Amino acid sequence: DAKTTQPPSMDCAEGRAANLPCNHSTISGNEYVYWYRQIHSQGPQYIIHGLKNNETNEMASLIITEDRKSSTLILPHATLRDTAVYYCIVRTPDMYSGGGADGLTFGKGTHLIIQP
Amino acid sequence: DVKVTQSSRYLVKRTGEKVFLECVQDMDHENMFWYRQDPGLGLRLIYFSYDVKMKEKGDIPEGYSVSREKKERFSLILESASTNQTSMYLCASTPGSSYEQYFGPGTRLTVT
Repeated sequence: DAKTTQPPSMDCAEGRAANLPCNHSTISGNEYVYWYRQIHSQGPQYIIHGLKNNETNEMASLIITEDRKSSTLILPHATLRDTAVYYCIVRTPDMYSGGGADGLTFGKGTHLIIQP
Repeated sequence: DVKVTQSSRYLVKRTGEKVFLECVQDMDHENMFWYRQDPGLGLRLIYFSYDVKMKEKGDIPEGYSVSREKKERFSLILESASTNQTSMYLCASTPGSSYEQYFGPGTRLTVT
């Protein structure tokens, strides 16, 4: 699996958009980009994933560059409850199960702190 | 909402004890996982299962075993607990065709 690089920490003002970058310059053609977050003392929470097109759901948007070597997770209107560690993961889906049986390896992620 | 529950939030055991960590999911997911999370090491996969009675080793299976007798329940067993197994243990599940893993709240295990 391709390695990812994220800044260790970021601050964002409440109500503003939080833009979290992730570098994955060695990504291969069939690897997906996943984002999870972990709020203190809770289990990780899935946010969004994508292959090459930009994606949006009720939680966030994912922007993947055309060369797929980096991506940005956008939380459009950050709240205090968005304070968490955000993990960017690049992973090839498991051919047996179609993607679901893969274990995930989380690195150190970005600690996003939303300031009031 | 998908619910993944774990039997305990906090557990303290003595060295050499047999420890059972239980995980239950209520959404009929095929795949279930056990991870441990340690400061500075991130999340590491211990075992996973893609069907009842099936199991696969993850990255760090040594010292652990698992059991999946029913689809909704996946147990992690520490046959003889050691202090280096003090950690946060996280269970997760996912449907067979989905990329989203749903995690439980975690069990913080301390082995003294």
